[in-house]
Amino acid sequence: GDSVTQMEGPVTLSEEAFLTINCTYTATGYPSLFWYVQYPGEGLQLLLKATKADDKGSNKGFEATYRKETTSFHLEKGSVQVSDSAVYFCALALSGSQGNLIFGKGTKLSVKP
Amino acid sequence: DAGVIQSPRHEVTEMGQEVTLRCKPISGHNSLFWYRQTMMRGLELLIYFNNNVPIDDSGMPEDRFSAKMPNASFSTLKIQPSEPRDSAVYFCASRPGRTSYNEQFFGPGTRLTVL
Repeated sequence: GDSVTQMEGPVTLSEEAFLTINCTYTATGYPSLFWYVQYPGEGLQLLLKATKADDKGSNKGFEATYRKETTSFHLEKGSVQVSDSAVYFCALALSGSQGNLIFGKGTKLSVKP
Repeated sequence: DAGVIQSPRHEVTEMGQEVTLRCKPISGHNSLFWYRQTMMRGLELLIYFNNNVPIDDSGMPEDRFSAKMPNASFSTLKIQPSEPRDSAVYFCASRPGRTSYNEQFFGPGTRLTVL
């Protein structure tokens, strides 16, 4: 069935380090892909998205490229800040679907000063 | 825009009591989702509505849980009777349109503690 797999956390980095959070998916058709972020004590919010192969989503210094050949949508940031500490969720939406997103389990990121 | 509004923000109750969580979606949004988040199980979809109609309630844990959406601006999630294992953060989210690739907007959540 359709699913999203993302790397297990927690991930702990020092400020200004490079971040990669891996995400791969299994889906029929051509899904849209998302990264959501949840800051402590808050609900999820959309960070970025890509709706077709080779698209790059970007926001707040974060980037992810929709790679159909490897069924991946890895999240990257060149220099993390303490304020990036949060839980990051990869998700997909099935093509033509009116239903819910399919979320990964989330990866907790802690950035130390 | 006020965003998705949930109430109460925190609820502490005793086992066996009825609990009602409330959600006001963003005006004009067609779809509404209820999620539960715990450390053990992560983020789980409980139920979602399109145009006030329940579409998929397969995530509702058992008959103790029920959800309603009497109109486009209000939804409730009820647990009766509550049990300690229901302790979690419950999120409501709304989405413009019915297409799954549209962004979901999450509320701040209700933290439920059942003693």
